[in-house]
Amino acid sequence: AQSVSQHNHHVILSEAASLELGCNYSYGGTVNLFWYVQYPGQHLQLLLKYFSGDPLVKGIKGFEAEFIKSKFSFNLRKPSVQWSDTAEYFCAVCNQGGKLIFGQGTELSVKP
Amino acid sequence: DTAVSQTPKYLVTQMGNDKSIKCEQNLGHDTMYWYKQDSKKFLKIMFSYNNKELIINETVPNRFSPKSPDKAHLNLHINSLELGDSAVYFCASSQGDLAGGANVLTFGAGSRLTVL
Repeated sequence: AQSVSQHNHHVILSEAASLELGCNYSYGGTVNLFWYVQYPGQHLQLLLKYFSGDPLVKGIKGFEAEFIKSKFSFNLRKPSVQWSDTAEYFCAVCNQGGKLIFGQGTELSVKP
Repeated sequence: DTAVSQTPKYLVTQMGNDKSIKCEQNLGHDTMYWYKQDSKKFLKIMFSYNNKELIINETVPNRFSPKSPDKAHLNLHINSLELGDSAVYFCASSQGDLAGGANVLTFGAGSRLTVL
């Protein structure tokens, strides 16, 4: 069965530190890849997405992610985090069947 | 102008009761979804409707019954509530299915259900 794995359950960083959140998926075919963010008490919002083309995609708020097909990975990065980036981050994969599968989420806490 | 709106936002009820959560989207999307987020924040799809037709039905107890009166609404009715049904339920919508390329999910704010 298709699955999405986020390796870090909880990440704690100081402001201005660099961020990388890992995401791996298990599916051999064509996939569409997403990162969503859920700020405390809010709904999920799209950070960025990859469908085709340049494997390095840029999203909102300075986030970017790189699709590495050979590693089945879609890691999220930000060079310098802010306190306002404190949130839950979800990687998600959609296969050709149209079903969006989410990873278990990574909680990011940024200390001011 | 809320794009995907769910009601109620909070719902506290006793075991064995029947309850409904309503969802409406004003984006003109043709596909709507229900996701369940458990206490560990894990999100799992439950149902998906396209133009009022059920297209995804995950392994969900048949106590859960979605109803789509039109493509802008997808309600979730739950019979005989159990403790394990406590979760946050998110409604979402998209234009077309997500395998199509440019489509993304737009989520509602969530409905937190607590079963006592």
